[in-house]
Amino acid sequence: EAGVVQSPRYKIIEKKQPVAFWCNPISGHNTLYWYRQNLGQGPELLIRYENEEAVDDSQLPKDRFSAERLKGVDSTLKIQPAELGDSAVYLCASSLDDRGNIQYFGAGTRLSVL
Amino acid sequence: AQRVTQPEKLLSVFKGAPVELKCNYSYSGSPELFWYVQYSRQRLQLLLRHISRESIKGFTADLNKGETSFHLKKPFAQEEDSAMYYCALIHMNRDDKIIFGKGTRLHILP
Repeated sequence: EAGVVQSPRYKIIEKKQPVAFWCNPISGHNTLYWYRQNLGQGPELLIRYENEEAVDDSQLPKDRFSAERLKGVDSTLKIQPAELGDSAVYLCASSLDDRGNIQYFGAGTRLSVL
Repeated sequence: AQRVTQPEKLLSVFKGAPVELKCNYSYSGSPELFWYVQYSRQRLQLLLRHISRESIKGFTADLNKGETSFHLKKPFAQEEDSAMYYCALIHMNRDDKIIFGKGTRLHILP
């Protein structure tokens, strides 16, 4: 079992450029989460999917961030255009469902915006 | 507002000494609380959850609703316990938020 797979592991871009992150959750996990973790902080939820439905995207900055989870499996998080303050680690997690089950985290994507 | 507070950014403890990582929460409903841990160069992983009422790697945590706390404890620290520890409040209501604390770095001194 590979666990939650994220790619890329690292990304360096210049400000105003677009960037995308990809996540493959554990097979059979219906709930998928995207978090942002700034340096010295805990993970902050950006969006939560139940299958292909975004059930909580209240923390997602919708002017520049977008996400999709086509077919209720893989998910992509996009930032366009990126700003300096977007530098952070972006974590993906999955769980069997949203009933408080254990979340399994990916290794994360470290984004540096120059 | 829902909030999770971990008052210590860094906690240094000698090997063999007791450990207590503090977590306080603010939530009006019935919370589900977790401790997640991140060892060096590893991904974030669940350590324990309050509904399981189990001991993992010698750690226990009791939910105290009166004090709104969920402190993590271990009677005798081991060097391999050095890691970042995050307290998290997760509620099963779809309208509620999932909140992590800022984390406490536990450093076990030899």
